Amino acid sequence: DTGVSQDPRHKITKRGQNVTFRCDPISEHNRLYWYRQTLGQGPEFLTYFQNEAQLEKSRLLSDRFSAERPKGSFSTLEIQRTEQGDSAMYLCASSLAGWGSPLHFGNGTRLTVT
Amino acid sequence: DAKTTQPPSMDCAEGRAANLPCNHSTISGNEYVYWYRQIHSQGPQYIIHGLKNNETNEMASLIITEDRKSSTLILPHATLRDTAVYYCIVWSNQGGKLIFGQGTELSVKP
Repeated sequence: DTGVSQDPRHKITKRGQNVTFRCDPISEHNRLYWYRQTLGQGPEFLTYFQNEAQLEKSRLLSDRFSAERPKGSFSTLEIQRTEQGDSAMYLCASSLAGWGSPLHFGNGTRLTVT
Repeated sequence: DAKTTQPPSMDCAEGRAANLPCNHSTISGNEYVYWYRQIHSQGPQYIIHGLKNNETNEMASLIITEDRKSSTLILPHATLRDTAVYYCIVWSNQGGKLIFGQGTELSVKP
């Protein structure tokens, strides 16, 4: 399977704990995006990278959230001191940088904070 | 904010064509129209995109009006597995983030 891969698929954690998610994009894609989706809503943009540079961050990405893409390949999203409101599906997508190139999404990591 | 307007829900009979409309009256000249769908508990799946010409692939056809202010996604022979939320998005990937609206929940019924 050469699609976008996310790990883990599900994560249950207690409030206050830190969690980290991983995304492996399609290999030749130089752009990588993180989105968050809550029940009944469309995905909301969090941040995106072109190669290893983080080019844009949403106001949704509070100080407790940090994303990295150290070598321009895989990316990690860390949430520190989780809160119940962080419970959501976290989606990763990748694309080429060329004009019109579509995003391709993974199947997400579902986070439940108890 | 999303730049598109879609009906919140639609029904379609299995085997019939599903025609999903989208209005995007403020689309810019460098923005494409993209369609994605999302089946419960999965990530959004790319379907098709176009700039101004009609497009067709193995999944669907995209019809864009000449003034580019609206478009229609056509699933020619809908199956039960096409039941999903369909998102119409206008975007130029030279400007960063792709923004999702609320989409259309399509129910294909036997």
